[in-house]
Order: sequence, then structure tokens, then C-alpha cells
Amino acid sequence: QITLKESGPTLVKPTQTLTLTCTFSGFSLSTSGVGVGWIRQPPGKALEWLALIYWNDDKRYSPSLKSRLTITKDTSKNQVVLTMTNMDPVDTATYYCAHSIHSSGWSFDYWGQGTLVTVSS
Amino acid sequence: QSVLTQPPSASGTPGQRVTISCSGSSSNIGSNTVNWYQQLPGTAPKLLIYSNNQRPSGVPDRFSGSKSGTSASLAISGLQSEDEADYYCAAWDDSLNGRDWVFGGGTKLTVL
Repeated sequence: QITLKESGPTLVKPTQTLTLTCTFSGFSLSTSGVGVGWIRQPPGKALEWLALIYWNDDKRYSPSLKSRLTITKDTSKNQVVLTMTNMDPVDTATYYCAHSIHSSGWSFDYWGQGTLVTVSS
Repeated sequence: QSVLTQPPSASGTPGQRVTISCSGSSSNIGSNTVNWYQQLPGTAPKLLIYSNNQRPSGVPDRFSGSKSGTSASLAISGLQSEDEADYYCAAWDDSLNGRDWVFGGGTKLTVL
């Protein structure tokens, strides 16, 4: 059974760096054809893809946010960490991590519950 | 402004068939497969359709997907009240730097 759970601060100040951790179980990020992505959703708005890391440590970032994002994995801990620098109130959103696998067309087939991050001074 | 275009809303009565469209371009839908997600109020998105028309285990066959050219559609037959949700399409977008995921703006489905 695949599960994912996001953790991190619920409130950050403008200009600060956000660090979110995705802790997962039921799969290994060292297995070929597996990835973990981050997607966010501002209140009342659409989903926005942020980043994706693959089993082979290949990394993809949203072009519009690439300069502010870093995604890493710790296979031994079953964790993926996303950092976003220079946070702004417009970054207020629910942040989700999700499992992705080649056999499902690299779709996001399992999602965490999400964590709401508010950016405010 | 989302890369993939969806109607902001759709509606239908119980038992009816409704379709939701997703329009893109040659760099995304035109050259890659489409996935659909369902987001019930207050919950995380759930994968509904992958690779244009494949249903994950557990998704009722009332839900179906199709793709033609640079557009895709999600069809829901035998509409039920529990289908009231937001629906999002997604696809890879090919750029000079590789492939990146793009989502549609979402369609809010109301069951009347």
C-alpha cells in the first residue's frame, strides 16, 4: 500500500525559504521507473506542477519557478525534500507530493493529503 | 493562465452523460498522453484516467477518456451525485529543456 505524507511549516514569512518533506511508504525511490513529484494549489485555484525527481536522480522543475526550487531525495529514509526560496504571499497554497511511475504513463497515481502553507508577515 | 484550457464549469442531472474538454497544443496534448484527475471538495486529487483512456484499478467504467489531435475529453456516463467535483487534465509539455508537466485550469462539475 502506497502512502505519502507532506510535512513542514504552516506559516512562513516573505523572503524566507520553505522546506517541505514528503515521507512515503510502500515503494522505493531506488526502483527503476519510479518518481515523486510536488504539486501545489492556491486556495480556490488550479493545480500547478512544481518539480519531479526520478529514481535515477534526474530532476525536473517548473520553468517558471526553476530558479527558486530544489528537489532532493533520501532513499534510505524514504523521503523527498522540496525547498523553495524567496517565499511570497502568492506562494500561499496547499502543497502536495505524489508518486509517479512509468507503468501508469508517469501520471501521479498516489497523492499525499497535502499541507497548507501560508506566507505572511 | 493555464497551458491547457478547460471550461470552468459543467453540469448535468443524475443519469446523464457529460463531457469535459481539455485543449492544448502540439507541444503537449498533440505529442503526449493525457491524464485526468478528480478532486472532491476538501480532498487531494485522485487519478481518474491515465495515458488518454486507461482507468486505474477501482475507477468505475462510467469514466472514460479520449484524445484527438491537440484536444482531449473526459466523459462521465450515468452521472451520480458523488461525481460532483473539480476535474483537471494534465499532460507533459515538450520544451527545449525537456518535458514538464502542465495542468488545465480545472472544471467544476455540478450535479443538478
